[in-house]
Amino acid sequence: EPEVTQTPSHQVTQMGQEVILRCVPISNHLYFYWYRQILGQKVEFLVSFYNNEISEKSEIFDDQFSVERPDGSNFTLKIRSTKLEDSAMYFCASSPDSGKQETQYFGPGTRLLVL
Amino acid sequence: DQQVKQNSPSLSVQEGRISILNCDYTNSMFDYFLWYKKYPAEGPTFLISISSIKDKNEDGRFTVFLNKSAKHLSLHIVPSQPGDSAVYFCAATKGGKLIFGQGTELSVKP
Repeated sequence: EPEVTQTPSHQVTQMGQEVILRCVPISNHLYFYWYRQILGQKVEFLVSFYNNEISEKSEIFDDQFSVERPDGSNFTLKIRSTKLEDSAMYFCASSPDSGKQETQYFGPGTRLLVL
Repeated sequence: DQQVKQNSPSLSVQEGRISILNCDYTNSMFDYFLWYKKYPAEGPTFLISISSIKDKNEDGRFTVFLNKSAKHLSLHIVPSQPGDSAVYFCAATKGGKLIFGQGTELSVKP
């Protein structure tokens, strides 16, 4: 069964460094998302992406964050200058074209630790 | 953001019995509700969903009930199995981002 994959599974970085989290969505999906879960808290929406542009973003998704679909398969989340409070699990998700757009399928996550 | 709430952080059930997980929401504009299951160090796994125009959806051992007047949904698992032990999240959406509840940790004891 097709699945969303994410790399790396773990990332440790120093405060102020840039990180890029990578995702390969399910191949025939057209909608892409990033969520995060800080330890002990809810899963929170960051951004959605469709047709090569951001369709919605949360207030968490400030100028330090960006997303890109550099080719036909990858979907990346970049944090330009990481802060301690960016430490979290980051989940990528994708959903199909209209009809089942609401059902989002999640990857296994990247655990980001900012020191 | 308290639009979706799961008020029970944990639930313990005997194997073979019914598990009932509850979720409340405040935004009447949501048009789709979903349940996800999550194991530690893994991403949420989609279980079952329901459109706001329905009041029940069933898939094998899993049934989701929606009570729009009460802004309440529930997930029933019958019969419960030890492998069902995980954190269960309800989520709601209106054509885009998912808004999650805090999760309920289900423990099914043999």
